[in-house]
Amino acid sequence: QVQLVQSGAEVKKPGASVKVSCKASGYTFLDYDINWVRQAPGQGLEWMGRISVHNDNANSAQKFQDRVTMTTDTTTSTAYMELRSLRSDDTAIYFCARGISFGYWGQGTLVTVSS
Amino acid sequence: QSALTQPRSVSGSPGQSVTISCTGTSSDVGGYQYVSWYQQHPGKAPKLMISDVTKRPSGVPDRFSGSKSGNTASLTISGLQPEDEADYYCCSYAGSLNYVFGTGTKVTVL
Repeated sequence: QVQLVQSGAEVKKPGASVKVSCKASGYTFLDYDINWVRQAPGQGLEWMGRISVHNDNANSAQKFQDRVTMTTDTTTSTAYMELRSLRSDDTAIYFCARGISFGYWGQGTLVTVSS
Repeated sequence: QSALTQPRSVSGSPGQSVTISCTGTSSDVGGYQYVSWYQQHPGKAPKLMISDVTKRPSGVPDRFSGSKSGNTASLTISGLQPEDEADYYCCSYAGSLNYVFGTGTKVTVL
């Protein structure tokens, strides 16, 4: 069965960076894009960006373009999302989701930014 | 890219039908046949309920249906069940490999 398993919760200080991983199994990793979506406490879903596992082409929402890097490691079927220059309002649960329909989701990774 | 507009909440009694709207623009909802809907229970990851405006993934009850007219997409839950109480989000392709989510709707089963 398709599974996306994300890395554990992180606590970071303002200005730091965080790198969240998303390990895929149960399907051919190369066949689907990976999207990244975040949800601040009590708020809605926000699309951050996506990466094509096939050719590493990535693009992100305008508000994240200068702070986010998405990568993949096909040898371990793992996608990564790094967010830099963290602020308190980056405190959120970060999800990875498979494909253009976001058909499968990881369990989420809580990132807390606090001094 | 602004979030798509959804009603903050809708409610209905068991067995009733409820419809959630998702309003965007001609650059997102109105421009593509790529609107999807997600159900999210508290503390859980979202779950795909409808893709490509009307397609229901395997395992999703047929009481969930989707439609679109112009710049507004809709999700209808027919025959509301207690387990349908959750938050629902629409999502649309917005061109240039970008996506945008809706503001979210809380469905309450009375």
